Amino acid sequence: NAGVTQTPKFQVLKTGQSMTLQCAQDMNHNSMYWYRQDPGMGLRLIYYSASEGTTDKGEVPNGYNVSRLNKREFSLRLESAAPSQTSVYFCASSGTFRDNEQFFGPGTRLTVL
Amino acid sequence: GENVEQHPSTLSVQEGDSAVIKCTYSDSASNYFPWYKQELGKGPQLIIDIRSNVGEKKDQRIAVTLNKTAKHFSLHITETQPEDSAVYFCAASNTGFQKLVFGTGTRLLVSP
Repeated sequence: NAGVTQTPKFQVLKTGQSMTLQCAQDMNHNSMYWYRQDPGMGLRLIYYSASEGTTDKGEVPNGYNVSRLNKREFSLRLESAAPSQTSVYFCASSGTFRDNEQFFGPGTRLTVL
Repeated sequence: GENVEQHPSTLSVQEGDSAVIKCTYSDSASNYFPWYKQELGKGPQLIIDIRSNVGEKKDQRIAVTLNKTAKHFSLHITETQPEDSAVYFCAASNTGFQKLVFGTGTRLLVSP
């Protein structure tokens, strides 16, 4: 039981390049989330998927797109990376509507030059 | 929307002392308040949570208190140990318990 896994762990991009961050969970959770963590700003929600087949914007969605590929997988795509997207990205998942605990992955450290 | 403020940003204590971290929230409709611990290089992990129908909750050396009138909640860690050193985040939610708004974090350092 690996929990929430994220790939890659580290990535360096040049401005304008694109990439997809992958996330998978093996806990049969319905809901999945993408956050970014910046120094002094805590975690901010980018997008979330309350259930398979649905996605919604969070607090800071601009510059990102997501895909809920199936119940297990939720990917985050940067179409044209900008230096302002340098951050640590965390994926999380939670179970049913009343099961509040969010389980986080180990994070992806992204640097955009 | 919801806004969560967290204080202090850093907290240094001696082993065995108590540590208190405080958060305030703005949306009176918020009804779920979790606390997460993040160790270096890892993702956050839930350590305790409280719902708005409860004033206090304890789990061994950690406790959380909630004052709905004042819209603030606090994390209390007693008999601190070096392994308690980490960054702690509070959060609040009012939309189906799924959309959490996090505080900015408190770096706790426990010195032996």
